[in-house]
Amino acid sequence: GAGVSQSPSNKVTEKGKDVELRCDPISGHTALYWYRQSLGQGLEFLIYFQGNSAPDKSGLPSDRFSAERTGGSVSTLTIQRTQQEDSAVYLCASSLVSADTQYFGPGTRLTVL
Amino acid sequence: GENVEQHPSTLSVQEGDSAVIKCTYSDSASNYFPWYKQELGKRPQLIIDIRSNVGEKKDQRIAVTLNKTAKHFSLHITETQPEDSAVYFCAASTPGAQKLVFGQGTRLTINP
Repeated sequence: GAGVSQSPSNKVTEKGKDVELRCDPISGHTALYWYRQSLGQGLEFLIYFQGNSAPDKSGLPSDRFSAERTGGSVSTLTIQRTQQEDSAVYLCASSLVSADTQYFGPGTRLTVL
Repeated sequence: GENVEQHPSTLSVQEGDSAVIKCTYSDSASNYFPWYKQELGKRPQLIIDIRSNVGEKKDQRIAVTLNKTAKHFSLHITETQPEDSAVYFCAASTPGAQKLVFGQGTRLTINP
């Protein structure tokens, strides 16, 4: 079946602009995660959604970052007033239920000029 | 919170030899330990995982061992092949936390 998909695959923006990154999880997966991977680094947890529960936002680096998940499926990560240090690959993952195997999408490479 | 340390950061082995990557974790409550392989420009792919009620798990040429007392776990790849060249990440999660805390990754190079 279809895996996790993300769009766009690449995004170049100017400092100060807002960006929206989209994630389509595997159909039927109730848990959705966002991670950030800076060049040559590991994956940094950002936010986690599970069903209709309140999201775990403990990894969001600042209040410029927000995310929502509509209808328990598609998720959007929004970064306001982008900064150069926001440049990274943003990865989305989903799992059938929480604490289950996480499957990753291909990521969105964000470049802030 | 949980902290995961991974060593070495780079590893080069001859084709056919074994490779071992080690990770330590800080939270004794952690109970799920997956390993991901990430090829250049690709998404991380799960290759093997282990839960805290198991000490060792094997899948063909790949094995993972877990030492709960010492709070470390290791990935073992035997009979390495060129296609094993990639960056490998370990991770850990605790009950209730759900998120994965990743190590910094190991760049494995298999020399022909």
